[in-house]
Amino acid sequence: DIQMTQSPSSLSASVGDRVTITCRASQGISNSLAWYQQKPGKVPKLLIYAASTLQSGVPSRFSGSGSGTDFTLTITSLQPEDVATYYCQKYNSAPPLTFGGGTKVEIK
Amino acid sequence: QVQLVESGGGVVQPGGSLRLSCTASGFTFSNYGMHWVRQAPGKGLEWVAFISYDGSNKYYADSVKGRFAISRDNSKNTLYLEMNSLRAEDTAVYYCAEGYCSGGNCYPPDYWGQGTLVTVSS
Repeated sequence: DIQMTQSPSSLSASVGDRVTITCRASQGISNSLAWYQQKPGKVPKLLIYAASTLQSGVPSRFSGSGSGTDFTLTITSLQPEDVATYYCQKYNSAPPLTFGGGTKVEIK
Repeated sequence: QVQLVESGGGVVQPGGSLRLSCTASGFTFSNYGMHWVRQAPGKGLEWVAFISYDGSNKYYADSVKGRFAISRDNSKNTLYLEMNSLRAEDTAVYYCAEGYCSGGNCYPPDYWGQGTLVTVSS
């Protein structure tokens, strides 16, 4: 099975900073990669799919890139409301879904 | 609007059984595959099972294969997860989520339920 590895597992940054989270697949997955945001006590929210397509309603400070095995989620200017855990997820191949381990983002 | 409402969670002893339900509304349930995803306390997300729109295809995570069974009743707009031989490590919030597939491609879940807590403890 394909494994998804995220790094870092946690980070602390200042408001306005550029934040980058990486996700690596153990095998090529083309662009079948999504990013989710989960705030404490809340349901995961889909931010990005097809590696770089922003879901409707998601602020433009979020962006995704990559293809094959290496992917990146970038927050261009971190805001207090972005405090959350972020997960990458591969889809569209068996097993149907695989999540990365998550990256906890905090404000410094 | 799309709504997914899970029920059936609770406290069960190790080795016991439980059946979760997920009732859907606001979309054509019979056109959508469906997932169960769980999250242990303080841990990350773990995919559990998937069923195709018509119930003909089912997939399971290795951690639950042979113990859990996913099913659906399209006449009732309801998804189920039958959980047997429960272990302490099955303790988690269980979410149902839509899993739309079309033309051989499947898409990441956008709509999720609020989750139901399953606690396996003696």
